[in-house]
Amino acid sequence: GQNIDQPTEMTATEGAIVQINCTYQTSGFNGLFWYQQHAGEAPTFLSYNVLDGLEEKGRFSSFLSRSKGYSYLLLKELQMKDSASYLCAAMSSTSGTYKYIFGTGTRLKVLA
Amino acid sequence: GAVVSQHPSWVICKSGTSVKIECRSLDFQATTMFWYRQFPKQSLMLMATSNEGSKATYEQGVEKDKFLINHASLTLSTLTVTSAHPEDSSFYICSARAYGRADETQYFGPGTRLLVL
Repeated sequence: GQNIDQPTEMTATEGAIVQINCTYQTSGFNGLFWYQQHAGEAPTFLSYNVLDGLEEKGRFSSFLSRSKGYSYLLLKELQMKDSASYLCAAMSSTSGTYKYIFGTGTRLKVLA
Repeated sequence: GAVVSQHPSWVICKSGTSVKIECRSLDFQATTMFWYRQFPKQSLMLMATSNEGSKATYEQGVEKDKFLINHASLTLSTLTVTSAHPEDSSFYICSARAYGRADETQYFGPGTRLLVL
């Protein structure tokens, strides 16, 4: 089956570091995505991992372990504007067709 | 970057009417477009996947006769909610997967809020 798990909510303090974990079980796995979604808006792309390891992009980093079916998004130097939902999504590819399976999202609250 | 537009951004309609939502990729060709629905404080739920020139693939539980999808070109897909009812009120978001790009991601439109009275 296809399954994505991530925590429902997290709270952190401005300036701190937070790690949002995601585990997945997906057939035809072809990459792991993280998106940010502010309330009332569409998601925006943050990162894409297809190989094991860490991808760093400014304050945001994303890690993938394919053997463990595990990823995390690391946010450093948290800012108030980082308060949003963070969606983990696995891309599944079968017979040339692609599908993105989303987790329920992690609502991050950044406190002053 | 890759830009996806959606129109309209807001729709309020009476129960029983049909509503058409357009999704356009503005600066790239989209081999595949996806339609999602999102209820308040919930994650995205994939409704259907559409490939240009072929019939859409609907997810389990999504009525294809109620949610008509047309992917007429590599830059345009439309979703028509037929005979809309209050329970169809939701945030509808389209996304497009770019042909030939290395990043494999989908780019989201800004979404359409539908309110059925």
